[in-house]
Amino acid sequence: SQTIHQWPATLVQPVGSPLSLECTVEGTSNPNLYWYRQAAGRGLQLLFYSVGIGQISSEVPQNLSASRPQDRQFILSSKKLLLSDSGFYLCAWSKQTYEQYFGPGTRLTVT
Amino acid sequence: AQKITQTQPGMFVQEKEAVTLDCTYDTSDPSYGLFWYKQPSSGEMIFLIYQGSYDQQNATEGRYSLNFQKARKSANLVISASQLGDSAMYFCAMRELRDFNKFYFGSGTKLNVKP
Repeated sequence: SQTIHQWPATLVQPVGSPLSLECTVEGTSNPNLYWYRQAAGRGLQLLFYSVGIGQISSEVPQNLSASRPQDRQFILSSKKLLLSDSGFYLCAWSKQTYEQYFGPGTRLTVT
Repeated sequence: AQKITQTQPGMFVQEKEAVTLDCTYDTSDPSYGLFWYKQPSSGEMIFLIYQGSYDQQNATEGRYSLNFQKARKSANLVISASQLGDSAMYFCAMRELRDFNKFYFGSGTKLNVKP
């Protein structure tokens, strides 16, 4: 069966510091991978998605970036965090014609 | 225009009763999929049910059913025999065949089940 991992689970970072969130998927190959952000009490905002190694599509221009160095690894990064980057970050995977499955999420607080 | 609209920010239901969560969608693609997810307070998004645009029958998964009305572009989630553990946020989502890499999510409905 497939599983998706995210770490860390929670993170408190000062403004201006770098960020690296990691997501890995097990039990499937060549999945589509996604990064979403959810502000408190709000819906999901798609940030990035990837259909293959090194292939990243950005949905929202901001100071975040994503990379996919391996087939089942997806990384969300920032060089300098802003207060507005606080939120709940969810990684998800899907195959081409089916539903998405989500990881447990990372709660990021920028102080 | 919003792809997915959920007009009920919050809902209350008595335990053991049925509840309907509304979802309308907007697309010109004849091929699409509709999804419902549950998000408990822990934050994890849990897939509940899927309906394809060409499916003739409404999807059902245990106590969950999707009331699919294609002409009205609605895909309401019906939860039968509500349980206290059903208290959560519920999100409707859509995926279009012409751009199947993207999922569009609604703003969610907060369901509270009262004992």
